[in-house]
Amino acid sequence: NFMLTQPHSVSESPGKTVSISCTGSSGSIASNYVQWYQQRPGTAPITVIFEDNQRPSGVPDRFSGSVDSSSNSASLTISGLKTEDEADYYCQSYDGSNLWVFGGGTKLTVL
Amino acid sequence: QLQLQESGPGLVKPSETLSLTCTVSGGSISSSGYYWGWIRQPPGKGLEWIGNIYYSGSTYFNPSLKSRVTISVDTSKNQFSLKLSSVTAADTAVYYCARLVATIWFVPWGQGILVTVSS
Repeated sequence: NFMLTQPHSVSESPGKTVSISCTGSSGSIASNYVQWYQQRPGTAPITVIFEDNQRPSGVPDRFSGSVDSSSNSASLTISGLKTEDEADYYCQSYDGSNLWVFGGGTKLTVL
Repeated sequence: QLQLQESGPGLVKPSETLSLTCTVSGGSISSSGYYWGWIRQPPGKGLEWIGNIYYSGSTYFNPSLKSRVTISVDTSKNQFSLKLSSVTAADTAVYYCARLVATIWFVPWGQGILVTVSS
């Protein structure tokens, strides 16, 4: 089955830039769009990136997404880190065969 | 603005059936091109896709849950529902409903409902 693997946790200081990776288990992650969701404690996830690199309205341009076919991975990059960015981040994709998959999630600590 | 709201019992006994409903407001569940989905999150763990339904009744399920899951839609009430049979403590989770856009991504999400499986 298609799986997405994320680091368990990352940390960085305010004002810095951090990237979170999402690696596909098989096939090409570039074949299907990747989304990124932010989830703060006790709240529902919200979309910060859809279709690999698109930002919904209201999401700051400090958030960006990319896909690297050579490593079969996607990345979420957050620049100018703020303490409010501290949250869990999940990647998600559709495998093209009626299976929707989430990564295991990455806890971002801004310290 | 489209909103989704989950409802149902917060406590279910082991071996019984979990039943939840998602009510859609601010838009029609019969809108062409949108699927509607259920996702769950066990306490302290990650997100798990359960299944999706189209207003016509077409469904897709996570293979790991398929044998126990039923998803249905009631267009007259603008609702869709989840039934999960033979539950165990491992099914304790926050259950979310969401709209699936472009058959790819989930937005918006409901606020979620915690369902605990315990005797």
